[in-house]
Amino acid sequence: EVQLLESGGGLAQPGGSLRLSCAASGFTFSSYDMSWVRQAPGKGLEWVSGISGSGGSTYYPDSVKGRFTISRDNSKNTLYLQMSSLRAEDTAVYYCTKGPPWSSWSFDYWGQGTLVTVSS
Amino acid sequence: EIVMTQSPDSLAVSLGERATINCKSSQSVFYSSNSKNYLGWYQQKPGQPPNLLIFWASTRESGVPDRFSGSGSGTDFTLTISSLQAEDVAVYYCQQYYSTPPTFGQGTKVEIK
Repeated sequence: EVQLLESGGGLAQPGGSLRLSCAASGFTFSSYDMSWVRQAPGKGLEWVSGISGSGGSTYYPDSVKGRFTISRDNSKNTLYLQMSSLRAEDTAVYYCTKGPPWSSWSFDYWGQGTLVTVSS
Repeated sequence: EIVMTQSPDSLAVSLGERATINCKSSQSVFYSSNSKNYLGWYQQKPGQPPNLLIFWASTRESGVPDRFSGSGSGTDFTLTISSLQAEDVAVYYCQQYYSTPPTFGQGTKVEIK
């Protein structure tokens, strides 16, 4: 059974940093692209980063480029999101997602999410 | 960036009746080399993460009831719930995976009338 378990969320100051982790199990982690998708309170879904199975390629939307860094440790089956220069608008539930075999940017499994709150 | 626009924003349907949600993309998500539409639909129930229902615009994910169906091509797509059940109350999102960044529609809230 595929499981994705996020951790690391919490309260951060504007301009501060936070590192999210996602422990994956139930599948061959290194074979799949992974992404982070966020959802602001009461709002819709926004993709915020993606990484290839090998970790050699990373992708970001303009809204977080230069501030967020996605990475993975395939030996530990863990995905990370390093967030810096945080803004109030980064407040959201952050979901770890797995890409299906047939596409990098669809999301066939989601974790339960971890809440990040950016406030002074 | 491909903009996804859903309509309506919300709808209320009687139990057993049909619910129809529309999704329009700002450019085609049809890839002619493999004749596939790079369009998916997700269901998000309150307090839960989204769940992939349909991919390639019309292929149901394993375990999804057959009352859910997807149709359309190019820029115009539809999710249909043929006979609404109480457990279908949720927000539904379309999403394109044709190009980076992958983008979602704003969501459509489905309620019981």
